[in-house]
Amino acid sequence: GAGVSQSPSNKVTEKGKDVELRCDPISGHTALYWYRQSLGQGLEFLIYFQGNSAPDKSGLPSDRFSAERTGGSVSTLTIQRTQQEDSAVYLCASSLAAGGLQPQHFGDGTRLSIL
Amino acid sequence: DAKTTQPPSMDCAEGRAANLPCNHSTISGNEYVYWYRQIHSQGPQYIIHGLKNNETNEMASLIITEDRKSSTLILPHATLRDTAVYYCIVRVNNQGGKLIFGQGTELSVKP
Repeated sequence: GAGVSQSPSNKVTEKGKDVELRCDPISGHTALYWYRQSLGQGLEFLIYFQGNSAPDKSGLPSDRFSAERTGGSVSTLTIQRTQQEDSAVYLCASSLAAGGLQPQHFGDGTRLSIL
Repeated sequence: DAKTTQPPSMDCAEGRAANLPCNHSTISGNEYVYWYRQIHSQGPQYIIHGLKNNETNEMASLIITEDRKSSTLILPHATLRDTAVYYCIVRVNNQGGKLIFGQGTELSVKP
């Protein structure tokens, strides 16, 4: 079956511009996560959504970052007024439920480059 | 979540078993051990998890010591496609969903 789909796969933009990154989770998965991976760094948690509960935003690095999940399916991560340190691979994952024993299934990410 | 320690890199000959160690000496009784791997330019891939018993699936085996302070992921017959960064993560299953990744072990399988 289809896995987690992310778009675009690559995005190059100028400093100061806003960007939107999209994630289509696996159908039926109620939990959705965003992570980012900077060059040479490990994966860093950003935010996760579980059903209709309030999202856990504890990993968002600044108020320039926001995310929404419409209709419990597709999610969009928005970065406003991008900075060069925002350059990274942004990864989305989904699971049948948050916590529990359900593994997270990852997309291949969006590679964001800020000029 | 408990901290994990893994060697930064390992080599393995193709066809041989790859044994990847992980130390988690501060693990608590309700924390599980998870393993993920990340092949270059791809997202992480779930491999296996366990609490205290050894586990085996189609990808790998997980051996957890009796005191649960360390574990070993075993790839029984490593192939070139197993070259990846392997992450050992410990977490409580009933608290939130986020995974906290360390630096992992970069496994190079050589012909």
